Amino acid sequence: DGGITQSPKYLFRKEGQNVTLSCEQNLNHDAMYWYRQDPGQGLRLIYYSQIVNDFQKGDIAEGYSVSREKKESFPLTVTSAQKNPTAFYLCASMDRGTDTQYFGPGTRLTVL
Amino acid sequence: KQEVTQIPAALSVPEGENLVLNCSFTDSAIYNLQWFRQDPGKGLTSLLLIQSSQREQTSGRLNASLDKSSGRSTLYIAASQPGDSATYLCAVRGAYSGAGSYQLTFGKGTKLSVIP
Repeated sequence: DGGITQSPKYLFRKEGQNVTLSCEQNLNHDAMYWYRQDPGQGLRLIYYSQIVNDFQKGDIAEGYSVSREKKESFPLTVTSAQKNPTAFYLCASMDRGTDTQYFGPGTRLTVL
Repeated sequence: KQEVTQIPAALSVPEGENLVLNCSFTDSAIYNLQWFRQDPGKGLTSLLLIQSSQREQTSGRLNASLDKSSGRSTLYIAASQPGDSATYLCAVRGAYSGAGSYQLTFGKGTKLSVIP
């Protein structure tokens, strides 16, 4: 099955810890995105990558980092510098032929 | 900066009713507009995408319209069913060039409840 997988589904972090959220896609899409969703809020863009070994900051990149070493993978690290990391994190990839974004199932991060 | 607004924030209707969800955007220079569905605790599923040159798109019981000049889109759901209960989000892609041109700006969504 083609699609986007995110792991883990739930993640708990102690204050001061870095954690890494996984995002993998087998859709052969070049573009990938990370969004953050808070209750009652729209999705806000954290980072995006148009191609391997390249990525750009989105609207709320502070306290986050990414890498794009492989086309299939776009992991997001939430660092201790992110002061309010509790949120639902969504990864997406884009089919440039149809302009459609496909989303993973999300990771819910909670800071203890 | 593009802003996307969805009204109402929540809507409750009886099963079988036809309904309309609204989306407005402040900058009419868009490349396309997309409607998504999100079930609780899940990711988003694309429903319909309307290019800026199009007026509407249809898929089954769903019809989305776009009036770019007035900065508005509507999602029409015919003969609503309890399975339609979800949050519906609209998102616009700006008509810009460069690396940022593939970014989407999302509204906060309309939470729909269809009562059996």
